[in-house]
Formats: sequence, structure tokens, C-alpha cells
Amino acid sequence: DAGITQSPRHKVTETGTPVTLRCHQTENHRYMYWYRQDPGHGLRLIHYSYGVKDTDKGEVSDGYSVSRSKTEDFLLTLESATSSQTSVYFCAISANYGYTFGSGTRLTVV
Amino acid sequence: EDQVTQSPEALRLQEGESSSLNCSYTVSGLRGLFWYRQDPGKGPEFLFTLYSAGEEKEKERLKATLTKKESFLHITAPKPEDSATYLCAVQAVANTGNQFYFGTGTSLTVIP
Repeated sequence: DAGITQSPRHKVTETGTPVTLRCHQTENHRYMYWYRQDPGHGLRLIHYSYGVKDTDKGEVSDGYSVSRSKTEDFLLTLESATSSQTSVYFCAISANYGYTFGSGTRLTVV
Repeated sequence: EDQVTQSPEALRLQEGESSSLNCSYTVSGLRGLFWYRQDPGKGPEFLFTLYSAGEEKEKERLKATLTKKESFLHITAPKPEDSATYLCAVQAVANTGNQFYFGTGTSLTVIP
């Protein structure tokens, strides 16, 4: 997938626990994004980064935080997971022609 | 408010039966319109980028067109392997951070 790796691929966690999802890219792209995908809502932007330590909020950022300490890694953290955060999470990088997406992380909060 | 609407939500076609998917958008200054294909359990895969009204792009059985208010993805003589969800996204001039706004997709099933 064009040098983007997401981990884990699947995770089940309990309500109230912290969870961190990782996105790793090998193409040195400046922009990286975290989206969530839910039935009936399509892909919605959570947070994005435009460089090391430079991040900004998207339209559904409440309950999420991100960090980017290296160009290649973009981490998404759910500080205290809730059932409403059960979703499929996609990381993406911005290339000249559009986005390249990772394979996704399916997160279930029980 | 920038919006992207795709129709129909779902489409079932017989193999060889051509049809079109629609993506209508309202943005304050279009930078680009993008089509993606998404297979179950996978991330969206890039298909086309269109930048200005009148532009067309083709790839195998797919052809994307763009007007000032909508885009069509035409599928000619589809095969079962074309079954997937097709997503449309727009990037507006006003967007910071190269953000995209996605439609909810059209789920296409091609029956042999």
C-alpha cells in the first residue's frame, strides 16, 4: 500500500481504557491524516499533521489526540475509549494526485 | 457549507450492463475532485483526479467526467470484479492542510 502501514489491524478494548493506533510511512510525505469510517457517514477527518510536531484538528476530533515526533510516524490516541469510537480508522498521506490510504484498523470498544 | 452527495447509495448491475454513478458537490472554490474504489476490509484506492469542468479521465471500463456541480463515474460493460464501493471526494481552495471531504459512497454489485 504505497509505503503506509497501520497497526494494529484489529483491536478490541474496554470502555475507559486508552488506545493508541500507529501509522507509519516510508515515503517522507509532509502531510498525514487520520480518518474514521462509519456506515452512513463516510470518511471523516479526525486530525491531520503538516509536519513534525505540527498537527491540527479535523471535524470529529473530540476524544482523540495525535502526535508526530518523526516524519514517518503519526499516532492517534483515544484517551478514554467510548463505544461511540467503535469504527474503522484509516491513515492517509497526501500525494500530488490525492490520498494514499493505509489498510485500516478496526477498533471495537466494548 | 461544503458538501458532497453520492447517488445512488447502492447499485446492482448485470454483467455488461453499463451505468453511471453520480457525485454532486457544493464547495466554495474547487481545487480537485477525486474518485476512489474501496473493497471490503481495505483502504480506498485512488482512481482519478479531475480539476476543471469539462475534464474527463478514463481507466479500463471506467470514465470520470466533471461539470461545475457534479461528477459522473461511467462504468461501461462492467464485470463482477468491478464490484466495490466507489467514493467521491472534493478538495476546496479554502481547505487548510489539503483536506478532503468525502461522500458516503455508492456500493456497486455486478452480477455474473
